Order: sequence, then C-alpha cells, then structure tokens
Amino acid sequence: DTGVSQDPRHKITKRGQNVTFRCDPISEHNRLYWYRQTLGQGPEFLTYFQNEAQLEKSRLLSDRFSAERPKGSFSTLEIQRTEQGDSAMYLCASSHGQNSPLHFGNGTRLTVT
Amino acid sequence: AQSVTQLDSQVPVFEEAPVELRCNYSSSVSVYLFWYVQYPNQGLQLLLKYLSGSTLVESINGFEAEFNKSQTSFHLRKPSVHISDTAEYFCAVNTNTGNQFYFGTGTSLTVIP
Repeated sequence: DTGVSQDPRHKITKRGQNVTFRCDPISEHNRLYWYRQTLGQGPEFLTYFQNEAQLEKSRLLSDRFSAERPKGSFSTLEIQRTEQGDSAMYLCASSHGQNSPLHFGNGTRLTVT
Repeated sequence: AQSVTQLDSQVPVFEEAPVELRCNYSSSVSVYLFWYVQYPNQGLQLLLKYLSGSTLVESINGFEAEFNKSQTSFHLRKPSVHISDTAEYFCAVNTNTGNQFYFGTGTSLTVIP
C-alpha cells in the first residue's frame, strides 16, 4: 500500500490557461473520487469513478472541467480556460468498496493568477 | 440529501485538557460516519469510522466518537490532548444508497502549551 499520489503538488497558472492534474490511487481500489477544497471549507465532491466508468458528477463541475480514468487505474482532471475562482486544493481519494473509507492523496494546490 | 454540520470552526484548548468537537448530520436513510484529520499542507487522514455495531468507536491515538441516532450526532472526544493534535478535523457522512461522502466545514483544533 503506497497510498494515493497526486501530481503536481503545486501549480501556478495564468487565467485562461489549461491545467491537468494526475492521481494514482491505491492499486487494488476500484473507486476513485475528486474533491475540491477551498480555505476554511470542507472538501466538496466533484466526481466519482468506479473502475473506468464516471458514475457521478457534481453540479459544481462546469463544462470547463473534465475527468478521465481510461484504464481504471490512474485518473486525470483537466481544467480548461482557468479562472481565478478555480484556485483551490484539488484532492483525489480512492476506496475499495461502497462505504469503505476514502484514502486521500496530499492534493494539488492550484493558484490562478 | 445528506448534510453535515460542524458548529465550532475553531476550538482552542490547553494541553492535557479534554476536548469535544461536535458533529451533527441530517439524513433520511441509514448513515456511515467518519472523522478525518488534516495536518497543514497534507491530505485528509482517516481518524475513525462508524459503520455498524457498537456506537462507540475509538482511534489508535486516544480519540473516540459516539454515534447517537436520536440526536443525529457523532461528536469526537479526547480526554487529554497533546500539542501534536493541533490540526483541522472534518466529520463526514456516507449512506448505503449513495456514492458521495459529504463533509462538514471542519473544526480547527489548536492545543495551547
């Protein structure tokens, strides 16, 4: 169990640029989640995969956001045409079944200038 | 829909004193409850969980929480805190009908020497 890893740890980008984050879940976990966390708030659900299928998306996820998990292993989260309001910590988590606890990565902190 | 309320945003407490961090939830179905801890610049780590069985659950570092169905609460307690317990604590709820985990806004625990 090497834990959930996220890359990069920090990303600074200019408004209007596209960014992509990667998440490698715990290898035997079939469920993968993306959350967003802003200062003083708890994590907010963005989207959820079971294996390679994206089964649920939050209304927070605008059309500029897209997530993939092509082979049911790692996942990417892309934000197109970034806006200052996208600045946040993006957290990835994985689990091995429904109601099993989430295991979180250390997150990717995005700053849009 | 489910929701989680953590009424105390900040809790200062002296070292070796007891502490209680409050968590209340709302749900129309059976719930599974979790407490997570987040240290600065890190992801969330599972502290303890209630899935079924005994309503009192404990962590390895001295925290405990009690599921109270009638009061829809899952308060976190520790009889004697250490400096190293200084962190952000998040309560979360999941259900057997959903995939999302809903998080509270967090409680910042500061242990004062």
